[in-house]
Amino acid sequence: GESVGLHLPTLSVQEGDNSIINCAYSNSASDYFIWYKQESGKGPQFIIDIRSNMDKRQGQRVTVLLNKTVKHLSLQIAATQPGDSAVYFCAENSYGKLTFGQGTILTVHP
Amino acid sequence: DAGVIQSPRHEVTEMGQEVTLRCKPISGHNSLFWYRQTMMRGLELLIYFNNNVPIDDSGMPEDRFSAKMPNASFSTLKIQPSEPRDSAVYFCASRRSREGLYNEQFFGPGTRLTVL
Repeated sequence: GESVGLHLPTLSVQEGDNSIINCAYSNSASDYFIWYKQESGKGPQFIIDIRSNMDKRQGQRVTVLLNKTVKHLSLQIAATQPGDSAVYFCAENSYGKLTFGQGTILTVHP
Repeated sequence: DAGVIQSPRHEVTEMGQEVTLRCKPISGHNSLFWYRQTMMRGLELLIYFNNNVPIDDSGMPEDRFSAKMPNASFSTLKIQPSEPRDSAVYFCASRRSREGLYNEQFFGPGTRLTVL
């Protein structure tokens, strides 16, 4: 039979624009969340994390927002650059284990 | 820091053969995780260890898969016998875990396994 892979959401932006990548998580007991970036042929790379007692955390060019009411997480990238092109995964921590979302493909056009 | 080290980076084998994947976690990290990534299922946790002890192996697909961590600096994931559907990228990750504190997992570069 025909195999069907995951259909990842895609986001295409121009260099210099701001990017927002969204993620819905499933477990209301999750207490820690992480965003990872994965470039082709490499392992996931940590970007930023947030604990469940916070609703916003900022890093260098990145901001993570957490809305526990609707179980939603977002990653904002300011002044997106071509080097930001990758697959972005959110992950939720529950009882020491991370569960990863399906990922979003970000493409940045020069 | 060398980061998480995995070997081999690529493995091509024939159905029925035994495959052993190796991982060296970051020094000082006491938790180690094995993941599998495929287009069909994304990134899945197979098993994880705390202080060399397997804590949760509910993600291991079947008895053909086994993992060991004989010491704090080495772990193996073995598939015997291998099947074409085991073809995937296998990642090892490590973390410094302390009760009540949260830390990110650091991933290795992965092993791309192809079973013919």
